[in-house]
Amino acid sequence: RKEVEQDPGPFNVPEGATVAFNCTYSNSASQSFFWYRQDCRKEPKLLMSVYSSGNEDGRFTAQLNRASQYISLLIRDSKLSDSATYLCVVNKNSGYSTLTFGKGTMLLVSP
Amino acid sequence: ETGVTQSPTHLIKTRGQQVTLRCSSQSGHNTVSWYQQALGQGPQFIFQYYREEENGRGNFPPRFSGLQFPNYSSELNVNALELDDSALYLCASSGTGKGNAEAFFGQGTRLTVV
Repeated sequence: RKEVEQDPGPFNVPEGATVAFNCTYSNSASQSFFWYRQDCRKEPKLLMSVYSSGNEDGRFTAQLNRASQYISLLIRDSKLSDSATYLCVVNKNSGYSTLTFGKGTMLLVSP
Repeated sequence: ETGVTQSPTHLIKTRGQQVTLRCSSQSGHNTVSWYQQALGQGPQFIFQYYREEENGRGNFPPRFSGLQFPNYSSELNVNALELDDSALYLCASSGTGKGNAEAFFGQGTRLTVV
Protein backbone atom coordinates (compact mmCIF):
# COMPACT_ATOMS: atom_id res chain seq x y z
CA ARG A 1 0.00 0.00 0.00
CA LYS A 2 1.36 3.43 -0.92
CA GLU A 3 2.12 5.78 1.98
CA VAL A 4 -0.10 8.54 0.57
CA GLU A 5 -2.86 7.72 -1.90
CA GLN A 6 -4.86 10.10 -4.05
CA ASP A 7 -7.21 9.75 -6.99
CA PRO A 8 -5.07 11.00 -9.92
CA GLY A 9 -8.09 12.42 -11.76
CA PRO A 10 -8.29 14.49 -13.87
CA PHE A 11 -11.27 16.22 -12.37
CA ASN A 12 -12.95 18.31 -15.07
CA VAL A 13 -15.28 20.94 -13.60
CA PRO A 14 -16.92 24.14 -14.87
CA GLU A 15 -16.11 27.51 -13.38
CA GLY A 16 -18.06 28.10 -10.19
CA ALA A 17 -18.30 24.43 -9.28
CA THR A 18 -17.37 22.96 -5.92
CA VAL A 19 -14.85 20.13 -6.04
CA ALA A 20 -13.49 17.86 -3.32
CA PHE A 21 -10.26 15.90 -3.23
CA ASN A 22 -9.55 13.06 -0.86
CA CYS A 23 -6.36 11.47 0.33
CA THR A 24 -5.49 8.61 2.65
CA TYR A 25 -2.20 7.94 4.42
CA SER A 26 -0.88 4.71 5.84
CA ASN A 27 1.42 5.77 8.68
CA SER A 28 -0.67 6.43 11.79
CA ALA A 29 2.34 8.14 13.42
CA SER A 30 2.31 10.92 10.83
CA GLN A 31 2.65 14.32 12.42
CA SER A 32 1.92 17.09 9.95
CA PHE A 33 -0.30 17.35 6.91
CA PHE A 34 -0.38 19.71 3.96
CA TRP A 35 -1.87 20.37 0.57
CA TYR A 36 0.53 21.64 -2.08
CA ARG A 37 -0.36 22.95 -5.50
CA GLN A 38 1.82 22.27 -8.55
CA ASP A 39 1.33 23.97 -11.89
CA CYS A 40 2.52 22.23 -15.04
CA ARG A 41 6.32 21.96 -15.13
CA LYS A 42 6.66 24.16 -12.04
CA GLU A 43 7.69 23.55 -8.45
CA PRO A 44 5.15 22.59 -5.74
CA LYS A 45 3.88 25.47 -3.60
CA LEU A 46 2.24 25.20 -0.20
CA LEU A 47 -1.51 25.76 -0.45
CA MET A 48 -2.38 25.14 3.18
CA SER A 49 -1.57 23.13 6.26
CA VAL A 50 -4.24 20.74 7.51
CA TYR A 51 -5.39 20.47 11.11
CA SER A 52 -7.77 18.12 12.92
CA SER A 53 -10.01 21.05 13.73
CA GLY A 54 -10.29 21.84 10.03
CA ASN A 55 -9.12 25.06 8.49
CA GLU A 56 -10.35 27.42 5.86
CA ASP A 57 -8.56 29.91 3.64
CA GLY A 58 -10.96 31.79 1.42
CA ARG A 59 -12.50 29.31 -1.02
CA PHE A 60 -10.36 26.44 0.26
CA THR A 61 -11.23 24.20 3.20
CA ALA A 62 -9.01 21.39 4.46
CA GLN A 63 -9.94 18.67 6.91
CA LEU A 64 -8.03 15.92 8.69
CA ASN A 65 -9.49 12.78 10.21
CA ARG A 66 -6.72 11.06 12.18
CA ALA A 67 -8.87 8.08 13.14
CA SER A 68 -9.56 7.27 9.49
CA GLN A 69 -6.16 8.55 8.28
CA TYR A 70 -7.98 10.68 5.76
CA ILE A 71 -7.35 14.21 4.49
CA SER A 72 -9.65 16.28 2.31
CA LEU A 73 -9.55 19.52 0.36
CA LEU A 74 -12.68 21.36 -0.75
CA ILE A 75 -12.54 24.12 -3.34
CA ARG A 76 -15.63 26.28 -3.68
CA ASP A 77 -16.50 28.56 -6.61
CA SER A 78 -13.74 27.14 -8.83
CA LYS A 79 -11.76 29.58 -10.95
CA LEU A 80 -9.90 28.92 -14.19
CA SER A 81 -6.71 29.72 -12.27
CA ASP A 82 -7.36 26.79 -9.91
CA SER A 83 -6.39 24.41 -12.72
CA ALA A 84 -3.33 22.58 -11.39
CA THR A 85 -2.25 19.35 -9.71
CA TYR A 86 -3.02 19.18 -5.99
CA LEU A 87 -0.57 17.16 -3.92
CA CYS A 88 -1.50 15.62 -0.60
CA VAL A 89 1.56 15.69 1.66
CA VAL A 90 2.31 14.03 4.97
CA ASN A 91 5.25 14.52 7.30
CA LYS A 92 5.78 11.41 9.37
CA ASN A 93 8.57 12.68 11.53
CA SER A 94 8.38 15.54 13.99
CA GLY A 95 12.16 15.51 14.42
CA TYR A 96 12.92 16.53 10.88
CA SER A 97 10.96 17.35 7.79
CA THR A 98 10.60 14.45 5.36
CA LEU A 99 7.62 15.19 3.23
CA THR A 100 5.85 12.21 1.67
CA PHE A 101 3.83 13.22 -1.38
CA GLY A 102 0.90 11.57 -3.06
CA LYS A 103 0.93 11.34 -6.85
CA GLY A 104 -1.34 14.34 -7.05
CA THR A 105 -4.84 14.98 -8.34
CA MET A 106 -5.17 17.01 -11.51
CA LEU A 107 -7.92 19.63 -11.63
CA LEU A 108 -9.07 21.20 -14.90
CA VAL A 109 -11.52 24.10 -14.58
CA SER A 110 -13.21 25.05 -17.82
CA PRO A 111 -15.16 28.21 -18.81
CA GLU B 1 9.33 33.85 -5.72
CA THR B 2 10.56 31.60 -2.91
CA GLY B 3 14.17 32.76 -2.87
CA VAL B 4 15.35 29.18 -3.46
CA THR B 5 17.38 28.94 -6.64
CA GLN B 6 18.59 25.84 -8.43
CA SER B 7 21.09 25.39 -11.22
CA PRO B 8 21.16 24.36 -13.93
CA THR B 9 17.49 24.43 -14.97
CA HIS B 10 17.93 21.73 -17.60
CA LEU B 11 20.61 19.12 -18.17
CA ILE B 12 21.19 16.22 -20.53
CA LYS B 13 23.65 13.49 -19.53
CA THR B 14 24.67 10.13 -20.86
CA ARG B 15 24.15 6.89 -18.95
CA GLY B 16 27.11 6.17 -16.68
CA GLN B 17 28.11 9.81 -16.29
CA GLN B 18 28.09 11.80 -13.07
CA VAL B 19 26.09 14.98 -12.39
CA THR B 20 26.12 17.73 -9.76
CA LEU B 21 23.05 19.84 -9.10
CA ARG B 22 23.14 23.00 -7.00
CA CYS B 23 20.73 24.77 -4.69
CA SER B 24 20.85 28.08 -2.87
CA SER B 25 18.49 28.13 0.08
CA GLN B 26 16.28 31.00 1.11
CA SER B 27 18.02 33.59 3.27
CA GLY B 28 17.88 32.55 6.94
CA HIS B 29 17.09 28.91 6.18
CA ASN B 30 19.51 26.28 7.52
CA THR B 31 17.80 23.15 6.22
CA VAL B 32 17.81 21.86 2.66
CA SER B 33 15.99 18.79 1.36
CA TRP B 34 16.24 17.19 -2.05
CA TYR B 35 13.42 15.44 -3.90
CA GLN B 36 13.16 13.50 -7.15
CA GLN B 37 9.96 13.83 -9.18
CA ALA B 38 9.54 11.40 -12.06
CA LEU B 39 6.95 12.17 -14.72
CA GLY B 40 3.41 11.66 -13.44
CA GLN B 41 4.56 11.00 -9.88
CA GLY B 42 4.76 13.03 -6.70
CA PRO B 43 8.16 14.15 -5.43
CA GLN B 44 10.14 11.51 -3.51
CA PHE B 45 12.41 12.44 -0.62
CA ILE B 46 16.11 11.81 -1.30
CA PHE B 47 17.80 13.33 1.76
CA GLN B 48 17.95 16.36 4.00
CA TYR B 49 20.84 18.48 5.27
CA TYR B 50 20.67 20.45 8.47
CA ARG B 51 23.62 22.64 9.45
CA GLU B 52 25.95 20.78 7.06
CA GLU B 53 25.04 17.28 8.34
CA GLU B 54 22.82 14.70 6.66
CA ASN B 55 19.67 14.67 8.75
CA GLY B 56 17.63 11.93 7.11
CA ARG B 57 17.64 9.87 3.95
CA GLY B 58 14.98 8.30 1.78
CA ASN B 59 15.12 5.05 -0.15
CA PHE B 60 17.82 6.02 -2.64
CA PRO B 61 21.09 4.16 -3.36
CA PRO B 62 24.49 5.46 -2.18
CA ARG B 63 25.31 6.80 -5.66
CA PHE B 64 23.02 9.68 -4.64
CA SER B 65 25.08 11.85 -2.32
CA GLY B 66 25.06 15.43 -1.15
CA LEU B 67 26.75 18.25 0.64
CA GLN B 68 25.72 21.34 2.50
CA PHE B 69 28.07 24.31 2.76
CA PRO B 70 28.54 26.82 5.61
CA ASN B 71 26.27 29.29 3.79
CA TYR B 72 23.61 26.49 3.75
CA SER B 73 23.65 26.10 -0.01
CA SER B 74 23.71 22.48 -1.12
CA GLU B 75 24.73 20.08 -3.86
CA LEU B 76 23.22 16.82 -5.01
CA ASN B 77 25.61 14.44 -6.75
CA VAL B 78 24.53 11.40 -8.70
CA ASN B 79 27.12 8.91 -9.94
CA ALA B 80 26.78 6.23 -12.59
CA LEU B 81 23.63 7.76 -14.04
CA GLU B 82 20.86 5.41 -15.14
CA LEU B 83 18.03 6.08 -17.57
CA ASP B 84 15.55 5.96 -14.65
CA ASP B 85 17.33 8.90 -13.04
CA SER B 86 15.64 11.14 -15.60
CA ALA B 87 13.39 13.36 -13.52
CA LEU B 88 12.80 16.81 -12.07
CA TYR B 89 15.07 17.32 -9.07
CA LEU B 90 13.67 19.69 -6.50
CA CYS B 91 15.43 21.41 -3.67
CA ALA B 92 13.43 22.70 -0.70
CA SER B 93 14.63 24.93 2.09
CA SER B 94 13.08 25.49 5.49
CA GLY B 95 13.89 27.54 8.52
CA THR B 96 14.35 24.56 10.75
CA GLY B 97 14.59 20.81 10.34
CA LYS B 98 11.35 20.36 12.28
CA GLY B 99 8.49 18.40 10.78
CA ASN B 100 5.99 21.23 10.74
CA ALA B 101 8.29 23.75 9.10
CA GLU B 102 7.05 25.09 5.78
CA ALA B 103 9.26 24.00 2.91
CA PHE B 104 9.91 26.38 0.02
CA PHE B 105 10.83 24.75 -3.27
CA GLY B 106 13.14 25.92 -5.99
CA GLN B 107 12.07 25.74 -9.63
CA GLY B 108 13.89 22.44 -10.06
CA THR B 109 16.50 20.96 -12.38
CA ARG B 110 15.14 18.80 -15.17
CA LEU B 111 17.64 16.00 -15.79
CA THR B 112 17.44 13.82 -18.87
CA VAL B 113 19.66 10.74 -19.06
CA VAL B 114 20.12 9.28 -22.54
